[in-house]
Amino acid sequence: SQKIEQNSEALNIQEGKTATLTCNYTNYSPAYLQWYRQDPGRGPVFLLLIRENEKEKRKERLKVTFDTTLKQSLFHITASQPADSATYLCALSRNQAGTALIFGKGTTLSVSS
Amino acid sequence: DAGVTQSPTHLIKTRGQHVTLRCSPISGHKSVSWYQQVLGQGPQFIFQYYEKEERGRGNFPDRFSARQFPNYSSELNVNALLLGDSALYLCASSLGGYNQETQYFGPGTRLLVL
Repeated sequence: SQKIEQNSEALNIQEGKTATLTCNYTNYSPAYLQWYRQDPGRGPVFLLLIRENEKEKRKERLKVTFDTTLKQSLFHITASQPADSATYLCALSRNQAGTALIFGKGTTLSVSS
Repeated sequence: DAGVTQSPTHLIKTRGQHVTLRCSPISGHKSVSWYQQVLGQGPQFIFQYYEKEERGRGNFPDRFSARQFPNYSSELNVNALLLGDSALYLCASSLGGYNQETQYFGPGTRLLVL
């Protein structure tokens, strides 16, 4: 069965540094890979989507890479701030309606000032 | 514009009972998906509905059922509740239910089964 692993359950960094989160997957060929942010007690909030034929996507301080050979995505937050502290979820999906998103467990990022 | 709304926000039930959770999508969105998120895990897909038809179903027992109404709102029903059904139930809406579309999640309903 398909498996998604996010590098660690928790990541602690200092304000101003770049946070790098990893998402690895097996037994799956996603057409899309998405990253979401989830704050405690709230629903996930969409951040970025990258397609299988794209290598990199950027949005403000966020950058996502997608390597279908390595079956890995990296999610970077540059110039991190304490407000970036949250759980970040990686989600895969195929190009087929009704197949839904497959989520990883998430990585909880803590940015200290 | 209002986001995805879910009701109730919290619910406590006992084993064997039945529960109905409700979701109103963003105006103009025709697709609603339901997810279960157990503490410490990522959301797990339960159902997707589009234009009142079931479009996809995850690996959940028949105790779980859902429906979508003509106004695109949706209900998730769970019968014969088990302790393991305790979780945050999330509803997500999108325009057409395609996986390249942004999924907008509601705040969730936290269900506790005692």
